Amino acid sequence: AQSVTQLDSQVPVFEEAPVELRCNYSSSVSVYLFWYVQYPNQGLQLLLKYLSGSTLVKGINGFEAEFNKSQTSFHLRKPSVHISDTAEYFCAVSEGYNNNDMRFGAGTRLTVKP
Amino acid sequence: KAGVTQTPRYLIKTRGQQVTLSCSPISGHRSVSWYQQTPGQGLQFLFEYFSETQRNKGNFPGRFSGRQFSNSRSEMNVSTLELGDSALYLCASSLARQETQYFGPGTRLLVL
Repeated sequence: AQSVTQLDSQVPVFEEAPVELRCNYSSSVSVYLFWYVQYPNQGLQLLLKYLSGSTLVKGINGFEAEFNKSQTSFHLRKPSVHISDTAEYFCAVSEGYNNNDMRFGAGTRLTVKP
Repeated sequence: KAGVTQTPRYLIKTRGQQVTLSCSPISGHRSVSWYQQTPGQGLQFLFEYFSETQRNKGNFPGRFSGRQFSNSRSEMNVSTLELGDSALYLCASSLARQETQYFGPGTRLLVL
């Protein structure tokens, strides 16, 4: 079965600085990869997804992620963060066709300081 | 287009009671999945419904059940509530299976 490890539980960063949130996965088959963001007292919002094709995926709010099959990673990056990016970020993986069983990482709390 | 809606948003129950949570998917979406989110266990998959049939189930006891109606709305039920069932329950809908899932705001359940 697939699993996800988010390597940092908390990432503090100053406004306008770049940020990288790390995600590694394990699976014995091809996977689909996702990043979701959760703001306080809200559900999850999809930032971006990798299904196939180009390994560099661009998402909403200026975020992008790169799929690296050899390192089984899917790190999320943003070149310049804003205060409003403060939230919990979740990496998720699902495998196989006709499988909606998505496995989530433990989450990374991004805190952007002024 | 309206997003995924979940009712109620907050719920307080006592141990031993049962609870039913409701999820209305985005119009046209036929697949509904449920997740439990707790500080200790994180986000865990409960089950998925498509065309009124449960297609997939996570590792939860039989006290957790669900169903889907012909209009794709879904309910989940938890019987004989335990303190550990306190969590945020999230519903997600997608056009079809293996399509991108869109999440609702969740129902926060507190078991006393």
